[in-house]
Amino acid sequence: DAGVTQTPRHEVAEKGQTIILKCEPVSGHNDLFWYRQTKIQGLELLSYFRSKSLMEDGGAFKDRFKAEMLNSSFSTLKIQPTEPKDSAVYLCASSQTGDERLFFGHGTKLSVL
Amino acid sequence: GDQVEQSPSALSLHEGTGSALRCNFTTTMRAVQWFRKNSRGSLINLFYLASGTKENGRLKSAFDSKERYSTLHIRDAQLEDSGTYFCAAEASGSWQLIFGSGTQLTVMP
Repeated sequence: DAGVTQTPRHEVAEKGQTIILKCEPVSGHNDLFWYRQTKIQGLELLSYFRSKSLMEDGGAFKDRFKAEMLNSSFSTLKIQPTEPKDSAVYLCASSQTGDERLFFGHGTKLSVL
Repeated sequence: GDQVEQSPSALSLHEGTGSALRCNFTTTMRAVQWFRKNSRGSLINLFYLASGTKENGRLKSAFDSKERYSTLHIRDAQLEDSGTYFCAAEASGSWQLIFGSGTQLTVMP
């Protein structure tokens, strides 16, 4: 399967811990997005990379959320320190520059106790 | 293989006309959601359906779990409807949302 791969599928953390979520985009895609799924609004954008450069850092999520893209085929989202309100599904998606369609990973379900 | 197939990938409409987007599922899904990508890149929820149809303004969505598809109808399209629309389905017994790859809608004067 050459789609977007996210690991782990589930993550359980205690308040105050550091967790790192991982994403491998579709091979050849230049754009990578991190989203957090909320029941009320849908998917809030956390970070957006184009050709490994951070284009959007999600404003409200700056202080404890940090996304990195060390190479074109791997990205991480670090949450430090975690809080119970961070419990959510985190989704990674990639696309080809100029194409508005997104290819999503299956997501990571984070539970912070 | 892909569990959610969204079509068309791109759609052009003239103002005042309408059309439908469709998502087919390879397996039984318990619910479907439709989203629109906003200017900031976030995906805003348009509809959540576990069955039947829902309507909101010029948008109407239908979901048939048994026949494994969902549709999003747009009528009387306006220029501001241009954007990218996504469907996402919840498989039975799973918390995961499985996304279609999106439809780029362009509404022309």
